[in-house]
Amino acid sequence: DIQMTQSPSSLSASVGDRVTITCRASQSISTYLNWYQQKPGKAPKLLMYAASTLQSGVPSRFSGSGSGTDFTLTISSLQPEDLATYYCQQSYNTPQAFGQGTKVEI
Amino acid sequence: QVTLKESGPVLVKPTETLTLTCAVSGFSLSNAKVGVSWIRQPPGKALEWLAHIFSSDEKSYSTSLKSRLTISKDTSKSQVVLTMTNMDPVDTATYYCARLTSVPAQYYSYYFYMDVWGKGTTVTVSS
Repeated sequence: DIQMTQSPSSLSASVGDRVTITCRASQSISTYLNWYQQKPGKAPKLLMYAASTLQSGVPSRFSGSGSGTDFTLTISSLQPEDLATYYCQQSYNTPQAFGQGTKVEI
Repeated sequence: QVTLKESGPVLVKPTETLTLTCAVSGFSLSNAKVGVSWIRQPPGKALEWLAHIFSSDEKSYSTSLKSRLTISKDTSKSQVVLTMTNMDPVDTATYYCARLTSVPAQYYSYYFYMDVWGKGTTVTVSS
């Protein structure tokens, strides 16, 4: 099974900061990588698929990059509503594992 | 409007079998480009992918839970059912279903992603 590892596990940043979250796969997954945002007490929400394709309706301050084993999610200018836990997930094969999450505090 | 809604027991006893239903609307389970996934999240912990099923009836399961899980669908009722046997307190979690959508990638493959989620249903395992 492919393992997904995120770093950091949590971070604290200020409004307006540029924030970067890293996700690493235990083997190459090309660009078969999704990102989800989960706000407290809510269901996860799709942010990005295919490593860098923004889901419809997601603000353009979110961006994704990477291929192979190393990926990043970047928030260009952190907003108060971005308080959430962010998860990466591989869709290269099954089981479609998630990372352990990165909690973003403001 | 695409929606998914999970339902099932709030409380189950250890060793019992859990049956969860995901009722979908706004899309058809016979659509070749979509499926339904189940995901769970223990309190304060990360998301865990459990299983998915496609219109073709192709199914996949978590490696660690494969022996305990069964996923099925009733297209006419627009429902996907997940059963988990031999429940244990460590299975206490919020269980989500989500629509699994596919778009073409390169080399005759597809990108899969969960684009619409239900609100989740909380299951507690306790005697």
